[in-house]
Amino acid sequence: AQTVTQSQPEMSVQEAETVTLSCTYDTSESDYYLFWYKQPPSRQMILVIRQEAYKQQNATENRFSVNFQKAAKSFSLKISDSQLGDAAMYFCAYRSQRDDKIIFGKGTRLHILP
Amino acid sequence: GAVVSQHPSWVICKSGTSVKIECRSLDFQATTMFWYRQFPKQSLMLMATSNEGSKATYEQGVEKDKFLINHASLTLSTLTVTSAHPEDSSFYICSADSGRYKDEQFFGPGTRLTVL
Repeated sequence: AQTVTQSQPEMSVQEAETVTLSCTYDTSESDYYLFWYKQPPSRQMILVIRQEAYKQQNATENRFSVNFQKAAKSFSLKISDSQLGDAAMYFCAYRSQRDDKIIFGKGTRLHILP
Repeated sequence: GAVVSQHPSWVICKSGTSVKIECRSLDFQATTMFWYRQFPKQSLMLMATSNEGSKATYEQGVEKDKFLINHASLTLSTLTVTSAHPEDSSFYICSADSGRYKDEQFFGPGTRLTVL
């Protein structure tokens, strides 16, 4: 069975600084998707960034980028120029190509310090 | 596009009653819908997968007689919590897969259930 591990329950970063959230996963599959979701206080899940496992190039979305290390099964999220609106719970997630189920990590609560 | 709604957004009920939660894909047809449960300060746990016109597939440990799922059309799935008890109080989230955007599920805003 696949598992997703986020080892940082909480993190804080100064506004305008850069922060990296860690995520590791375990799978025997070779083709899959990885995601980072943001869940603000409203509880609405917001897709931040996605990565297809077959792509070697790291995904980037504006201030958000990932460091995808397939062999190490690592998928970290870097947030540059942190803004107050980035404060939220961040979930790393794995989606199997076999059954489309999404498995979430336990989450990292990110605090932005003004 | 790709909006998923849930109704109601919150519900309070008495112990022993049943509660129905609707999940609708507003601008696309959802071949598959997923139901998650999220306890306070915890992650999302997949409860079941529903495909239009067929029986839902439940995750291990989820009581199928307690959580009835019906996916009657390509735009609507319902979750009914039967004979609700206080321990069923939680945040329930659905997501929908169009089959077109293969790598993304679209999440509803969630339903907060409180059982007194």
